Amino acid sequence: HSALTQPASVSGSPGQSITISCTGTSSDIGAYNYVSWYQQPPDKAPKLILYDITKRPSGVSNRFSGSKSGDTASLTISELQAEDEADYYCASYTTSTTSVFGTGTKVTLL
Amino acid sequence: QLQLQESGPGLLKPSETLSLTCTVSGGSISNTNYYWSWIRQPPGKGLEWLGNIYFRGTTYHNPSLEGRLTVSVDTSRNQFSLKLTSVTAADTAVYYCARQIFYSWNFDYWGQGTLVTLAS
Repeated sequence: HSALTQPASVSGSPGQSITISCTGTSSDIGAYNYVSWYQQPPDKAPKLILYDITKRPSGVSNRFSGSKSGDTASLTISELQAEDEADYYCASYTTSTTSVFGTGTKVTLL
Repeated sequence: QLQLQESGPGLLKPSETLSLTCTVSGGSISNTNYYWSWIRQPPGKGLEWLGNIYFRGTTYHNPSLEGRLTVSVDTSRNQFSLKLTSVTAADTAVYYCARQIFYSWNFDYWGQGTLVTLAS
């Protein structure tokens, strides 16, 4: 399974909303609802922010939301804040009983 | 609060075997709801899933590692380990261990990561 495809960078102004796409295939994103998203600040470990496409772990802001259509999943960050600047990765379970990550997206504030 | 901590040598030479251990505290590695995974991130690049293990010994791995990877578990020590043979410069990365939910394979707890560098 090749890495899932994400835009290299997305930017937005404080208070705006941005959406990050994550495109896979019918063997990963399209096959299951087991897509998760991770936030990684510089020089830190990734942190789970969404799982099973739309679910948020306890303590994660409701400004983060997710969706899926066909082979593409999306992460939306609403009311963009300075603390949201980080790298974001999607991940999916696959039909080969493996995990695959996305290529990563750098979010910057304008 | 669950914690995971990677340990192992930070510097290797080409063709050597990389060995890392992840120590789990604040929870049991024998919990039936989880797999235990290894993930790496080359400097400035993205995340790559390497493989995982269930406490009973079942393992799954990334086919791209072509038989170089072994993941093992020691339930008595609440640890799991990674061995990667015949390392090259391409194996230079931060290596993370993580807990993986059994049914959905998402990663809910991560270690802080350990940098492994290949010396020339």
